[in-house]
Amino acid sequence: AQTVTQSQPEMSVQEAETVTLSCTYDTSESDYYLFWYKQPPSRQMILVIRQEAYKQQNATENRFSVNFQKAAKSFSLKISDSQLGDAAMYFCAYRIISNFGNEKLTFGTGTRLTIIP
Amino acid sequence: GAGVSQSPSNKVTEKGKDVELRCDPISGHTALYWYRQRLGQGLEFLIYFQGNSAPDKSGLPSDRFSAERTGESVSTLTIQRTQQEDSAVYLCASSLEGVWGAGERYNEQFFGPGTRLTVL
Repeated sequence: AQTVTQSQPEMSVQEAETVTLSCTYDTSESDYYLFWYKQPPSRQMILVIRQEAYKQQNATENRFSVNFQKAAKSFSLKISDSQLGDAAMYFCAYRIISNFGNEKLTFGTGTRLTIIP
Repeated sequence: GAGVSQSPSNKVTEKGKDVELRCDPISGHTALYWYRQRLGQGLEFLIYFQGNSAPDKSGLPSDRFSAERTGESVSTLTIQRTQQEDSAVYLCASSLEGVWGAGERYNEQFFGPGTRLTVL
């Protein structure tokens, strides 16, 4: 079974600084997707960034980038120039295609990010 | 509608009562998912709908949980004889199927704001 581990329950960063959130996963699959989702107090999950396992280049979306280490099964999220609006729970997720054909997401337990003004 | 909506936003019930949670997906999205999020935890997959059929129910925790979808649109998650351990946020997500973007092989799941269920 696939598992996703986020070892940092809470992180804080000064506004405008850079912070890195950690995620490791366990899988025997070779082709999969990894995601970082943001969950603000409104509870709505928002996709931040995605990475396909067969792509070696790290994904980047504006101030958000990942460090994907496939051999180490590590997928960290770097947030540059942190802003107050970045404060939220961040979840790492792993996706496979199930035997039923659906896209099945497995989530970590999340990291609560606080931005210090 | 612009996004996935869920109702009610919050539900408080007494142990042993039945509850129904509703999800309205994005119009045209054929795939619909239900997840449960216990306090301090990540999301757990419950069930997947393809149209009105549910080929993957592998995440439903017990036979007290059931779900249906009608008109390839609204879905209802029903919990019978609720227990305190059912207290959680229940999130719904929808996505297009079979429509992968250029260079991509995934369908983004769009989430609703969830229903917070509290069982006293």
